[in-house]
Amino acid sequence: DAMVIQNPRYQVTQFGKPVTLSCSQTLNHNVMYWYQQKSSQAPKLLFHYYDKDFNNEADTPDNFQSRRPNTSFCFLDIRSPGLGDAAMYLCATSRGGTGDGYTFGSGTRLTVV
Amino acid sequence: GQSLEQPSEVTAVEGAIVQINCTYQTSGFYGLSWYQQHDGGAPTFLSYNALDGLEETGRFSSFLSRSDSYGYLLLQELQMKDSASYFCAAPVSGGYQKVTFGTGTKLQVIP
Repeated sequence: DAMVIQNPRYQVTQFGKPVTLSCSQTLNHNVMYWYQQKSSQAPKLLFHYYDKDFNNEADTPDNFQSRRPNTSFCFLDIRSPGLGDAAMYLCATSRGGTGDGYTFGSGTRLTVV
Repeated sequence: GQSLEQPSEVTAVEGAIVQINCTYQTSGFYGLSWYQQHDGGAPTFLSYNALDGLEETGRFSSFLSRSDSYGYLLLQELQMKDSASYFCAAPVSGGYQKVTFGTGTKLQVIP
């Protein structure tokens, strides 16, 4: 089945230690997104790629970076995680059209200790 | 800017009908989507309304009124498994490839 896969499902990292979350898709969608979701809050867009074009949200901290080496894969790098970065990180894809729904991965829950 | 407001919580009885409202303020508007998210899970796309009116998909329907900057999700014949959070979402003006999510409504279905 075509899908969006995130690894790992749970990630524990130390304060200040770089961590990378990964996302892959078999849908061949043009657009890939990274959202951060904290408890009882709406998902908040960090950035997205339309094909190779990177789009950063104005309020995304510099601590967060992303890479998309090819259509199928996208990575979220957190250079120096702080306690406030503990959250669920959701990867999503879409074809990019206005009415095209997102397909989300199951998310990576990040804990910072 | 973009803001989409929803009631924070709604409780309804199994078998009943419930309506979850969404009011929005956007500098540009393309349409309104709805997503379902169970606790600990990922959001799942439910529907998209580009035009005014009601769209029906099984037990779920979604309505949009552009003139009122308002939409709602209607769930009929509620089941316990419908207990989840529901988010409206709208494409951001000037960046139709991305959406902003509403504040979210936590629906609790009780026996």
